[in-house]
Amino acid sequence: DVKVTQSSRYLVKRTGEKVFLECVQDMDHENMFWYRQDPGLGLRLIYFSYDVKMKEKGDIPEGYSVSREKKERFSLILESASTNQTSMYLCASMGDRRGNTGELFFGEGSRLTVL
Amino acid sequence: SQQGEEDPQALSIQEGENATMNCSYKTSINNLQWYRQNSGRGLVHLILIRSNEREKHSGRLRVTLDTSKKSSSLLITASRAADTASYFCALPSQRDSARQLTFGSGTQLTVLP
Repeated sequence: DVKVTQSSRYLVKRTGEKVFLECVQDMDHENMFWYRQDPGLGLRLIYFSYDVKMKEKGDIPEGYSVSREKKERFSLILESASTNQTSMYLCASMGDRRGNTGELFFGEGSRLTVL
Repeated sequence: SQQGEEDPQALSIQEGENATMNCSYKTSINNLQWYRQNSGRGLVHLILIRSNEREKHSGRLRVTLDTSKKSSSLLITASRAADTASYFCALPSQRDSARQLTFGSGTQLTVLP
């Protein structure tokens, strides 16, 4: 069965701390994505990656960075957490379907609170 | 990037009734997907409908797509309390239609027992 695993379901951090959110998929998917979800705003794309060591900015990349050293792992990094980054973070992966959008597989989410 | 707009924002029905939610969009698409999210969990893919399809079924789900009106609807028949969740339509991003999806704010469905 397809699985996307996010390392932490709940995190509480202080302003200014460095935060790592880890995501691992076991489907050998090329494409991985980080979204954040806030009430009334839906899901917004932060960063995505089509291949190892490759990354592209999404709609709201400011204040975030990512790392993809291995195909199965895509990490989201908050260099200096701020209270406006309190949110639900969702990782997703997609197999390669050239020229056609496929199904996204999501992790369970990581709810981050920044105090 | 294009974002679908779901309607209504919230819907409350009795168990056994049908639930219909709609998604409208602005520019042409290759396909449209529907996802479900239980409270506090990740999203789960329900169904994908291509631009050359008008209707698609999966169990108690029926999805229609009207490309002339740029709208889609998701119908859940004979609803159950377990169908209580948020439902999102997802569209290929205009920036990169191959792999990115954009999501609307969703419809919150509550099915009362």
